[in-house]
Amino acid sequence: GQQLNQSPQSMFIQEGEDVSMNCTSSSIFNTWLWYKQDPGEGPVLLIALYKAGELTSNGRLTAQFGITRKDSFLNISASIPSDVGIYFCAGRPAYSGAGSYQLTFGKGTKLSVIP
Amino acid sequence: DTEVTQTPKHLVMGMTNKKSLKCEQHMGHRAMYWYKQKAKKPPELMFVYSYEKLSINESVPSRFSPECPNSSLLNLHLHALQPEDSALYLCASSQGGVVNYGYTFGSGTRLTVV
Repeated sequence: GQQLNQSPQSMFIQEGEDVSMNCTSSSIFNTWLWYKQDPGEGPVLLIALYKAGELTSNGRLTAQFGITRKDSFLNISASIPSDVGIYFCAGRPAYSGAGSYQLTFGKGTKLSVIP
Repeated sequence: DTEVTQTPKHLVMGMTNKKSLKCEQHMGHRAMYWYKQKAKKPPELMFVYSYEKLSINESVPSRFSPECPNSSLLNLHLHALQPEDSALYLCASSQGGVVNYGYTFGSGTRLTVV
C-alpha cells in the first residue's frame, strides 16, 4: 500500500536549536497532519494542512503542505525539553476518493533534546 | 469537549479471558476508528465506523470484535487473545467526509496479554 517516507528517523539536538523534519510520498495527498506522541499516550494533533502550498503555524511549530502535494515539512523553533517525543506525519492520499477515512502514517521521527 | 476518552488506560488479561475496550467522544464526529500500535511503530488501522456502520475491517482476526452502540460510543470486544496482541490500542474520531476534519486520537489502552 501507500507509504510515507519520514526523515530523519531520529535526532538529538541542543535545547534552543531549531528542528526540521519532513515526509515525502510518491503520490499526491489531499491532507497532511502532524502528530506528537509521548510514551504511553495517544498521538496529539499539532497541525493540519488541507491545501497545497498552505503554511500554518502553531506557536513555535510551523508546517507546510508542499506545492507538488507529495511532501510536507514540520519545523520547531527554539526547542525546549518538553519537545521530546515521537513526531508522526500522516496524510490522506488523493487516490483514496471522497469519503475515505483512512490515513497513511510515516514511521515517525524520534526527537531528543539535550538541556 | 474536544476529547476522545478511552477506558481502561491499562488492561492485563489472560488468553482465555473476555474483556472490552471503550471509547467515547462528544464532538459530533461521525467516523470512529480503532488502531493498534506496537512500540516504536506508527498506528495501524483496524476498523472504521462511519455513521455507526462498519465500513472498513482491515483483515483483523475475529478475536477482535468492534461494536458501535451509538454515534458517541465505540467498543472493542476481546476474546481468546494471543500474547502478540499486546499493544497500545488507540481510538480516534473525525468529522468524516472528504478531508477528515478533526482527526483526534484518544490516549489509548495499554493491553498486555499473558
